Amino acid sequence: DVKVTQSSRYLVKRTGEKVFLECVQDMDHENMFWYRQDPGLGLRLIYFSYDVKMKEKGDIPEGYSVSREKKERFSLILESASTNQTSMYLCASSFLRGTLYEQYFGPGTRLTVT
Amino acid sequence: DQQVKQNSPSLSVQEGRISILNCDYTNSMFDYFLWYKKYPAEGPTFLISISSIKDKNEDGRFTVFLNKSAKHLSLHIVPSQPGDSAVYFCAASEVGGTSYGKLTFGQGTILTVHP
Repeated sequence: DVKVTQSSRYLVKRTGEKVFLECVQDMDHENMFWYRQDPGLGLRLIYFSYDVKMKEKGDIPEGYSVSREKKERFSLILESASTNQTSMYLCASSFLRGTLYEQYFGPGTRLTVT
Repeated sequence: DQQVKQNSPSLSVQEGRISILNCDYTNSMFDYFLWYKKYPAEGPTFLISISSIKDKNEDGRFTVFLNKSAKHLSLHIVPSQPGDSAVYFCAASEVGGTSYGKLTFGQGTILTVHP
């Protein structure tokens, strides 16, 4: 049974703070992703990683950075949190089954920046 | 530029009836399509998918139809049950190469099934 866990379910931070969101998967998946979910906008890809220390920008990387030092762990970093980063953050991991990828999501972190 | 669009923010149906959720896409490179279901305070869970070489895929009460020429897909739920009430996201992906399984999502449709 695939498990993707996120360090916090709810987080409240102040404007300007540095924020770390952690994600861990236990299935040895190669690829990991960070999305944010906002009403009316769906899920938007922030960054993804296809291997340790490898990362690529998604559709909305501005204001974020990521770190992947170990295969099972993918961190999202908000260098200086702003109120427009208040959102639901979802981590996912995927692997190739045959020719198609299967992607599994964590439960999400609801971040509020005040 | 929204490459995957779900134009209906919400849908309300009676228990036992059919629910039809629609999705349109603009990127011709997409060749694999998925539907995810999301309950509040939980991550999305995979529901059903379809490859571009097919026009229909069925799994129990759920059927996905793909019309490649119209760049349109739909999810049919028959019969609808109150437990189906959730947000449904349509997603699309390019197969293989350097896609790494990246998904592009629509805005979501809130389905409410009334008893």
